Amino acid sequence: NAGVIQTPRHKVTGKGQEATLWCEPISGHSAVFWYRQTIVQGLEFLTYFRNQAPIDDSGMPKERFSAQMPNQSHSTLKIQSTQPQDSAVYLCASSPGTDYAEQFFGPGTRLTVL
Amino acid sequence: GEQVEQRPPHLSVREGDSAFITCTYTDPNSYYFFWYKQEPGASLQLLMKVFSSTEINEGQGFTVLLNKKDKRLSLNLTAAHPGDSAAYFCAVDQGGRALIFGTGTTVSVSP
Repeated sequence: NAGVIQTPRHKVTGKGQEATLWCEPISGHSAVFWYRQTIVQGLEFLTYFRNQAPIDDSGMPKERFSAQMPNQSHSTLKIQSTQPQDSAVYLCASSPGTDYAEQFFGPGTRLTVL
Repeated sequence: GEQVEQRPPHLSVREGDSAFITCTYTDPNSYYFFWYKQEPGASLQLLMKVFSSTEINEGQGFTVLLNKKDKRLSLNLTAAHPGDSAAYFCAVDQGGRALIFGTGTTVSVSP
């Protein structure tokens, strides 16, 4: 079991460019979560999917951020027109999907917007 | 919504000492609680999940106490060693939804 896989591990973009982050959940896990981690804000929930369906995106900035899960083996987080304040580590987690199941985290993608 | 406060933000202890971290939460409907460890440059590693009211769980080198009456969750690193140096986060799960994390505690264990 390779665990949750996130690519790329590091991404540097210029202000205004687009960034797409990828997550491959643990095989068999039906829930995928996206979080953002910064020094100032700590760990913030962004969005999650269950059985590929979007369930809760209450943490997503309404503009420029979008997430998809086109199949059970990967999810993407896209940030359009990146801004310096988007710089953060973006963490993906997956869980078996049952209530109160543990979430297993990937290594994260460190996004730096210049 | 649920709010989780974690204290202290930083903790420095000597090897062999205990390191005690506490989280308090507000929503009595919160049901499951987690402790995660994050080493520098690494992701979050699950230490323990607890759910019973007033429960003491012992792991390898640490003890977790949940007191639902007081809405308090604590982690005690017993006989800390340098490998315990990391950030520790508590998290609250209200039912298969997003985790709500505490603000984290950076623990430094010196030889």
